[in-house]
Amino acid sequence: GENVEQHPSTLSVQEGDSAVIKCTYSDSASNYFPWYKQELGKRPQLIIDIRSNVGEKKDQRIAVTLNKTAKHFSLHITETQPEDSAVYFCAASMPKSSGDKLTFGTGTRLAVRP
Amino acid sequence: DTGVSQNPRHKITKRGQNVTFRCDPISEHNRLYWYRQTLGQGPEFLTYFQNEAQLEKSRLLSDRFSAERPKGSFSTLEIQRTEQGDSAMYLCASSFWDSNSPLHFGNGTRLTVT
Repeated sequence: GENVEQHPSTLSVQEGDSAVIKCTYSDSASNYFPWYKQELGKRPQLIIDIRSNVGEKKDQRIAVTLNKTAKHFSLHITETQPEDSAVYFCAASMPKSSGDKLTFGTGTRLAVRP
Repeated sequence: DTGVSQNPRHKITKRGQNVTFRCDPISEHNRLYWYRQTLGQGPEFLTYFQNEAQLEKSRLLSDRFSAERPKGSFSTLEIQRTEQGDSAMYLCASSFWDSNSPLHFGNGTRLTVT
């Protein structure tokens, strides 16, 4: 089955700096790569996603890049703010016709220092 | 709130007891998923339904676990003869069938087995 690895496990940045989280996946059939933000005691919330026919996607301060050849994708947060502090999870899944369960990474705890 | 709703939010039970959790998905979503999340880890897939049909079960779902979605709307997850290792957050998520539909998670049920 699919295996997703995520790095780093913790990340501390100064407010205003950029943060980058990287993930690799094992199954070349995977074609959907979402990123979720989870605050303490709350539900995972989708912040951005990308599909395999796209190399990069941006939404305000958040961007995701995908390299299908290397099987890795990354989350970039620019101009970080204290409210960005949370645990971020990457995930991968295959097409829905093949059974589309998400396989998650182990998470990155991001701390933004004011 | 028209999001995914889970009840109860917290459940404390003694080892050996049975517990049942309920999930009400977003009303127009026909896919429903159960995940388990332990401290410091990403959510792990347990099972999913399309309408009332249970399409896939993870190897994590031992024979003590059973999930149902009798009318293709709400779902229940029952754990029989609970063990301390069952202590975790149980997350429900829902989505449309189509390939562009992301997963929306509920707030979860936190189970503590003493």
